[in-house]
Amino acid sequence: DVKVTQSSRYLVKRTGEKVFLECVQDMDHENMFWYRQDPGLGLRLIYFSYDVKMKEKGDIPEGYSVSREKKERFSLILESASTNQTSMYLCASAAGPLNTEAFFGQGTRLTVV
Amino acid sequence: ILNVEQSPQSLHVQEGDSTNFTCSFPSSNFYALHWYRWETAKSPEALFVMTLNGDEKKKGRISATLNTKEGYSYLYIKGSQPEDSATYLCAFSAGNNRKLIWGLGTSLAVNP
Repeated sequence: DVKVTQSSRYLVKRTGEKVFLECVQDMDHENMFWYRQDPGLGLRLIYFSYDVKMKEKGDIPEGYSVSREKKERFSLILESASTNQTSMYLCASAAGPLNTEAFFGQGTRLTVV
Repeated sequence: ILNVEQSPQSLHVQEGDSTNFTCSFPSSNFYALHWYRWETAKSPEALFVMTLNGDEKKKGRISATLNTKEGYSYLYIKGSQPEDSATYLCAFSAGNNRKLIWGLGTSLAVNP
């Protein structure tokens, strides 16, 4: 079974803190994605990576950065957390091009106070 | 701007009813269409990935069809069960794009 594991299920951080969300997949997938999900807005892509050290901006990259030093790990970084980054964050991975299914982590519910 | 629309937004059915939802997407430069089921407190799980016009896929009581020329896909659930209650998401990718474009989903509630 493919497993995508996110480091935390729930997280509470203070405004201005630097926040790291970690995602690890165990199936040697090339592609990894970070999404956020907000009510009424659906899944929005923050960043994705199609290879180690490669990254591309998604639709809402502002206020975020990412790191992919190893194939299995894709980290999302909130440089200075703000209350409008309170959201559900989902990591996903997929093998090869986008004609194969994506596998999702369990999500991290981040609250910034 | 690429846009994926799903309808209806929500649906309440009785156990045993059959139901279907629609996903509309741009018909030009089609690459793949994905369907996912997202149950509360769980991760989204893939149901189908379809790439060819006229594709029909089936998994148990759930099936999907694809029309890339007119830009729509239908998801059917035969004999709905309470465990089918979930949000059903579709996502589209275009040939020149590495990203999936997601619809807002159809929320299905099946009453026992």
